[in-house]
Amino acid sequence: SQQGEEDPQALSIQEGENATMNCSYKTSINNLQWYRQNSGRGLVHLILIRSNEREKHSGRLRVTLDTSKKSSSLLITASRAADTASYFCATETYSGAGSYQLTFGKGTKLSVIP
Amino acid sequence: DGGITQSPKYLFRKEGQNVTLSCEQNLNHDAMYWYRQDPGQGLRLIYYSQIVNDFQKGDIAEGYSVSREKKESFPLTVTSAQKNPTAFYLCASSIRENEKLFFGSGTQLSVL
Repeated sequence: SQQGEEDPQALSIQEGENATMNCSYKTSINNLQWYRQNSGRGLVHLILIRSNEREKHSGRLRVTLDTSKKSSSLLITASRAADTASYFCATETYSGAGSYQLTFGKGTKLSVIP
Repeated sequence: DGGITQSPKYLFRKEGQNVTLSCEQNLNHDAMYWYRQDPGQGLRLIYYSQIVNDFQKGDIAEGYSVSREKKESFPLTVTSAQKNPTAFYLCASSIRENEKLFFGSGTQLSVL
């Protein structure tokens, strides 16, 4: 079953604008992570936010987490054409028998137009 | 040059054939993972391993098998029991389980 769901599925913006992507999830999490994937390539880890944190920054990236609403957002400021990629959220949740699992959403496809 | 290497980049499987995808890492990571990605979809976990000689099934393990005989290596075999194997397969590793995964560049598997 899909734990994290990104919204929107696709986003197209002009270079220099900000891009905001959202992730909603269903069950309690230990942490939430955002990854980026260029077409036909592997994923690259961007940022990790733990369940007791509310906001984290990394360069032009800002991630917020609202555990009461079971949602997170990824903001990319001053976007560049090179930011064009798919962005995935991943949530770590308890999967039973003392194990935890990282579950990925379907991603938001971001296009930044020069 | 540290990283995680998947090979081959493209692989074709004939009916009834088993094929093995290679994944090697020199990052000294304990945890390794195999994910499957279908077009326009997220990643689904096939198998993961927290330590040498131990591995656990993920959400879609049927039709797949793995081994973890060395810390650096985590090969995935797609068996003939997997009836719909066409997908992009991604291997990953991490220092701590389920945190900050490093991914390989993937193997595209297609059926002839």
